[in-house]
Amino acid sequence: EAGVAQSPRYKIIEKRQSVAFWCNPISGHATLYWYQQILGQGPKLLIQFQNNGVVDDSQLPKDRFSAERLKGVDSTLKIQPAKLEDSAVYLCASSLVGGSEQYFGPGTRLTVT
Amino acid sequence: QQPVQSPQAVILREGEDAVINCSSSKALYSVHWYRQKHGEAPVFLMILLKGGEQKGHEKISASFNEKKQQSSLYLTASQLSYSGTYFCGTEGAGSYQLTFGKGTKLSVIP
Repeated sequence: EAGVAQSPRYKIIEKRQSVAFWCNPISGHATLYWYQQILGQGPKLLIQFQNNGVVDDSQLPKDRFSAERLKGVDSTLKIQPAKLEDSAVYLCASSLVGGSEQYFGPGTRLTVT
Repeated sequence: QQPVQSPQAVILREGEDAVINCSSSKALYSVHWYRQKHGEAPVFLMILLKGGEQKGHEKISASFNEKKQQSSLYLTASQLSYSGTYFCGTEGAGSYQLTFGKGTKLSVIP
């Protein structure tokens, strides 16, 4: 069974630039999550989708971050404009349903200079 | 509310045992445990649901005390492959979202 795919794996941008991350979850998984993991910290949930609807985005900085999940499969997370404090690993995860075990992708390491 | 994990770090020799604790200030429905190796994604270990059950596979087990809103992860006869950072993720009733602790870094040395 293929795992969660993410791209790119690494990205370096300057502050105020924009960036987008892509995630393809495990086939059949209805729930998709985007997490931000700052070095030395646990993953912090940014947004959770159930199929193509948003379940929770209370911790998403909506003035600069946006996310969508078209057709309930792939998802993209965008940051515009980026700030230095956005430097982190962005993890995508999926699960069969909300509350079940989550399978994480390899992550995208973002460096904002 | 972020759960609190203790200890923050622990060093073990192969074959030794360890306990990692996770406590929350809010009522919990479930606790998830994940292990993350350096530069890799977190990997699921187990879920404990409300009801005080204990789970385990091989030499890693866990318990969940819903009255105290605490969970503990037990690693017995540790192996080099157990090294990594262990995270607990807590879920409140009806929320389906996980809030992760800051992690416990476990290092197993020969």
